[in-house]
Amino acid sequence: EAGVAQSPRYKIIEKRQSVAFWCNPISGHATLYWYQQILGQGPKLLIQFQNNGVVDDSQLPKDRFSAERLKGVDSTLKIQPAKLEDSAVYLCASSLGTWAGTEYGGYTFGSGTRLTVV
Amino acid sequence: GNSVTQMEGPVTLSEEAFLTINCTYTATGYPSLFWYVQYPGEGLQLLLKATKADDKGSNKGFEATYRKETTSFHLEKGSVQVSDSAVYFCALTPYSGNTPLVFGKGTRLSVIA
Repeated sequence: EAGVAQSPRYKIIEKRQSVAFWCNPISGHATLYWYQQILGQGPKLLIQFQNNGVVDDSQLPKDRFSAERLKGVDSTLKIQPAKLEDSAVYLCASSLGTWAGTEYGGYTFGSGTRLTVV
Repeated sequence: GNSVTQMEGPVTLSEEAFLTINCTYTATGYPSLFWYVQYPGEGLQLLLKATKADDKGSNKGFEATYRKETTSFHLEKGSVQVSDSAVYFCALTPYSGNTPLVFGKGTRLSVIA
């Protein structure tokens, strides 16, 4: 089966500019996650979608970050305006969205987008 | 709250050495536990998992046992190879279904020939 697709792979922007990342999950996966991985740290959840609804966005800096998942498939994550501390790898993951999916290690991660803010 | 603590890296070993990476967790309820690996330039890949106490996850020569009494899930391998050089992440998800993974900070392993 095809994996989780993310683009772009790399992005360099100046602070205060805007940027958008795209994620296409595995077909049939109802749950989609965006994680932020700062260099030297573990991934931190930004937002979780179930189909096209938001389940958890408690750690999303909503003054500058936004995300949507139209039609319950693809998702975009946007940062506007970017700050230096937003430099990180942004990971998208998907899962079947059921406990069974979780129990059988059903999370699949994309390769990520490496963002550098200068 | 839910959290994962891993041993600090980097860890540098010679080929064929024994590997242990310690992981302890704090969680409400009965979490599932995971080890993920991130090879240079690649995404996170599931290495192994365990869903209940005393379960042993294993894959590619790596093993980890879910120890509820010590809230631990230490990763072990009897003989490491250069190709095992990567960053290893311990993670959990609470037993509440359809919940996101909570990761440790990761441990970088370098294996030298």
